[in-house]
Amino acid sequence: SAVISQKPSRDICQRGTSLTIQCQVDSQVTMMFWYRQQPGQSLTLIATANQGSEATYESGFVIDKFPISRPNLTFSTLTVSNMSPEDSSIYLCSVEGQGKAETQYFGPGTRLLVL
Amino acid sequence: QKEVEQNSGPLSVPEGAIASLNCTYSDRGSQSFFWYRQYSGKSPELIMFIYSNGDKEDGRFTAQLNKASQYVSLLIRDSQPSDSATYLCAVLDNAGNMLTFGGGTRLMVKP
Repeated sequence: SAVISQKPSRDICQRGTSLTIQCQVDSQVTMMFWYRQQPGQSLTLIATANQGSEATYESGFVIDKFPISRPNLTFSTLTVSNMSPEDSSIYLCSVEGQGKAETQYFGPGTRLLVL
Repeated sequence: QKEVEQNSGPLSVPEGAIASLNCTYSDRGSQSFFWYRQYSGKSPELIMFIYSNGDKEDGRFTAQLNKASQYVSLLIRDSQPSDSATYLCAVLDNAGNMLTFGGGTRLMVKP
């Protein structure tokens, strides 16, 4: 499976500010995904990011709040804009696996606390 | 709305016993099914996938799929305290685009 890293691993931010999370993969992948995991909850897909096209957002998530970049096949960023305490979550990037299983492998996550 | 349902637990089993984790899904067209393990404070780790009816075994883990009844299960034999974690069931939609996660079952294996 691919090796995925995320920066920062954790951060504490003030409300109204923005944070950009980076996701780096050690191999080229077509699809990258951004998830949110709120405290005690399961994973919710925010958006799918394909290189060279606009990200596809799931219901309840909008580009103005969560702008995503995907400049190449090994890197993506997610920005959490104009943060509020409700944005306190773990943000995870994942990449598609290889082969028939079409699974996803996750990065270590970014733990965000908004005060 | 595609749904994946799991009992949140906690499911408590003694060391050495078989832990049985269950998951049901609503999208009858789903083709691929996954079990992830998530330790507290860590990201999900893939442990099994299955896409054919029946059983699939990998070491102490067995995934079971019944598409007619729309459920998938995970059996953990000879449970160890290190198996204590939250187990997430995930279902890939028919188009192969979106992975929907259940709420997870917290497993506790007591020595």
